[in-house]
Amino acid sequence: SQQGEEDPQALSIQEGENATMNCSYKTSINNLQWYRQNSGRGLVHLILIRSNEREKHSGRLRVTLDTSKKSSSLLITASRAADTASYFCATGPKVSGANSKLTFGKGITLSVRP
Amino acid sequence: EAQVTQNPRYLITVTGKKLTVTCSQNMNHEYMSWYRQDPGLGLRQIYYSMNVEVTDKGDVPEGYKVSRKEKRNFPLILESPSPNQTSLYFCASSLFLAGGTDTQYFGPGTRLTVL
Repeated sequence: SQQGEEDPQALSIQEGENATMNCSYKTSINNLQWYRQNSGRGLVHLILIRSNEREKHSGRLRVTLDTSKKSSSLLITASRAADTASYFCATGPKVSGANSKLTFGKGITLSVRP
Repeated sequence: EAQVTQNPRYLITVTGKKLTVTCSQNMNHEYMSWYRQDPGLGLRQIYYSMNVEVTDKGDVPEGYKVSRKEKRNFPLILESPSPNQTSLYFCASSLFLAGGTDTQYFGPGTRLTVL
């Protein structure tokens, strides 16, 4: 079963608006990460938040993590057309060991209209 | 420049013709991994490697092989490709042995079509 599930699957907003994307997961995590993918290209790491952190900022990005609800949100403020991309959350498991791997969600398609 | 490179970027081949997709990283990372990305299925891990000569299966290893003879290289081998292996493939690496504990750096992708 999918560990990280993003919501909504697709989001369309006007340039300048804020975009909020959510991710829920099932099992305990060491960290949660957000990645961006422009069409057909490699994933680019945006931000990592560890299980003992509640909020993190990077430029126009704000990520929150609620481990009691097993959920995270990514907020992009003052969106730009260049933010149009797919966004993925990925979780790193709590238990280390063989193949402590990231598990990716299926992604959110964000369209920012000029 | 720190990066993960993959070659080729695009490949069209026929069923049964062996192929290799190369992956190289210049960041001295311990962990390397291959993923395939298919519409509606997200990224699925094919194989991973925690160190030289240490490789293991991910979630969808059937039909693939890998090797890790040097730290920087992690080629993906399809010995007898089939049409269901048509996909977008990504190589990724991360600094630590435990790939889930830190940032992963992705290559640009290889779009493979098997006819």
